[in-house]
Amino acid sequence: DAMVIQNPRYQVTQFGKPVTLSCSQTLNHNVMYWYQQKSSQAPKLLFHYYDKDFNNEADTPDNFQSRRPNTSFCFLDIRSPGLGDAAMYLCATRRGGGVLNEQFFGPGTRLTVL
Amino acid sequence: ILNVEQSPQSLHVQEGDSTNFTCSFPSSNFYALHWYRWETAKSPEALFVMTLNGDEKKKGRISATLNTKEGYSYLYIKGSQPEDSATYLCASPTGNQFYFGTGTSLTVIP
Repeated sequence: DAMVIQNPRYQVTQFGKPVTLSCSQTLNHNVMYWYQQKSSQAPKLLFHYYDKDFNNEADTPDNFQSRRPNTSFCFLDIRSPGLGDAAMYLCATRRGGGVLNEQFFGPGTRLTVL
Repeated sequence: ILNVEQSPQSLHVQEGDSTNFTCSFPSSNFYALHWYRWETAKSPEALFVMTLNGDEKKKGRISATLNTKEGYSYLYIKGSQPEDSATYLCASPTGNQFYFGTGTSLTVIP
């Protein structure tokens, strides 16, 4: 049974056209993450939520926004995608409370910007 | 931001060969080291979570060791099988933030 679901798996958008990626979880984990991974690079943390508390990484561009309307869902909004935003976007969840708790990942959304 | 590095970037081995690769991380302010396996078209999955210097974990043919004083972890695969083909990622957390290496892409040739 899928525990972390990402939709869509593949997304094609045009330069400058806003796009929203979604993530849902059935684990009831209180921490949710968004990562960006470009080819041959490390997954880069964009932001995370601890419950409703939003934590933005200092180097995450303003073009990237996120919403978490409830425990189960989290969205990544890219307001004006550029060619450099083409990447794999990974959502992950984790039960908060300690560094021993592993992350559970979705399969990712591959974003193409034309 | 933590600087986590992995080597080699990619590796091709014959079926039945044993192999290993490395994850390096800052030894100061160390909390834990996570290993994940990411098969193509699937979700990354946790393999090991390690915290103590000298720790060794094992899952089937895969094992990992941890040296927190010098800041490295080794992942070993004994008798590689084609189903071991995947990207292996390590990550070091600070609080709730995780910092990943670039991964080692392993291809096991039948």
